[in-house]
Amino acid sequence: RKEVEQDPGPFNVPEGATVAFNCTYSNSASQSFFWYRQDCRKEPKLLMSVYSSGNEDGRFTAQLNRASQYISLLIRDSKLSDSATYLCVVPNQAGTALIFGKGTTLSVSS
Amino acid sequence: SQTIHQWPATLVQPVGSPLSLECTVEGTSNPNLYWYRQAAGRGLQLLFYSVGIGQISSEVPQNLSASRPQDRQFILSSKKLLLSDSGFYLCAWGTLRTDTQYFGPGTRLTVL
Repeated sequence: RKEVEQDPGPFNVPEGATVAFNCTYSNSASQSFFWYRQDCRKEPKLLMSVYSSGNEDGRFTAQLNRASQYISLLIRDSKLSDSATYLCVVPNQAGTALIFGKGTTLSVSS
Repeated sequence: SQTIHQWPATLVQPVGSPLSLECTVEGTSNPNLYWYRQAAGRGLQLLFYSVGIGQISSEVPQNLSASRPQDRQFILSSKKLLLSDSGFYLCAWGTLRTDTQYFGPGTRLTVL
């Protein structure tokens, strides 16, 4: 299993839809997980940190499944402005650095 | 609040020319600093990180080097650029090596 793996998409959804992305990771000892959002030709920006079973911030929910070693990001009531690439980030096996997934691209249309 | 600056925003350089990219952080002391590269259609690749002045660790052997002359300044350099050095270079800061990192606006480098 790769250190972090994401479905690249693209996910094309209409406004108002609910969409979920999964991310699998290999380091079973990981204690922290992150979702970043990256707009086209911009820097990644932190969307959410996950230190326990999950986290929720408005329309965004992150859930952690340690047994199956995946984290998910759920976006409810999608907005046009949610169109971006979502990066899953986990610590590496050695616990010395963060590993960034290649990202899942979301396109929300009206 | 903390802010991170990078310059230049874009750069077009010929093969074989030198490179110097600068990153500065404001509003925090003794941060961990990172240089990443993102090639077109690929994920972020960690190039260098620094836990303090003069302390540089290289993650990928290549023709790039990094220096940290001051606590909140991080510089990425090359003596001779290669075509394969083209990409989006991002500087980031954080407090722990496996905790949240915050990115600067990046430098888009094209080597021709």
